[in-house]
Amino acid sequence: GAVVSQHPSRVICKSGTSVKIECRSLDFQATTMFWYRQFPKQSLMLMATSNEGSKATYEQGVEKDKFLINHASLTLSTLTVTSAHPEDSSFYICSARRAGGLGETQYFGPGTRLLVL
Amino acid sequence: DQQVKQNSPSLSVQEGRISILNCDYTNSMFDYFLWYKKYPAEGPTFLISISSIKDKNEDGRFTVFLNKSAKHLSLHIVPSQPGDSAVYFCAARPSGNTPLVFGKGTRLSVIA
Repeated sequence: GAVVSQHPSRVICKSGTSVKIECRSLDFQATTMFWYRQFPKQSLMLMATSNEGSKATYEQGVEKDKFLINHASLTLSTLTVTSAHPEDSSFYICSARRAGGLGETQYFGPGTRLLVL
Repeated sequence: DQQVKQNSPSLSVQEGRISILNCDYTNSMFDYFLWYKKYPAEGPTFLISISSIKDKNEDGRFTVFLNKSAKHLSLHIVPSQPGDSAVYFCAARPSGNTPLVFGKGTRLSVIA
């Protein structure tokens, strides 16, 4: 199967600090990775799409200067929440689309719970 | 405007019976549909998918049916097991390298 990992799984930080979340595709190359956010009892909200070697495409309403995305390689994308505030507390999930093959299925990481105090 | 709709926020089914989760979509350009299962505080897990050129895909206890004329798909789980209790998301993809569009999910509870 296709495995996507996220690190850390849980982070608690003080308001004003920056938090970096890593997303790795462990057994396949991902030309495209996606970052989602989920609020309690809500659906997945797409934040941005990142393609390896190029700038991320952000969804409307998502601040690109606040949520920095870097897709440095075919197996790694990072999301940095800069100057985090309590309203940024959420469940962040990354997803990777396998390069080649069918390419349609997105595989999700286990998620990162961010709590900003 | 919600392009993928899961109109039932929750569903309860007895163990051993069939669970039917429904999903409607509005964009006729969608060419690939997927179902994901999600437990609390975990990422979604891919379950099963179907291409728009097919009307049925089966994998073990899971079957997805697609009715393109009605823009409707459904996920059948039979027999339902308590471990199937989770939130199920329907997702669709327009052609090309575009992100999936998700429904809001249906919470399935399988009662022993």
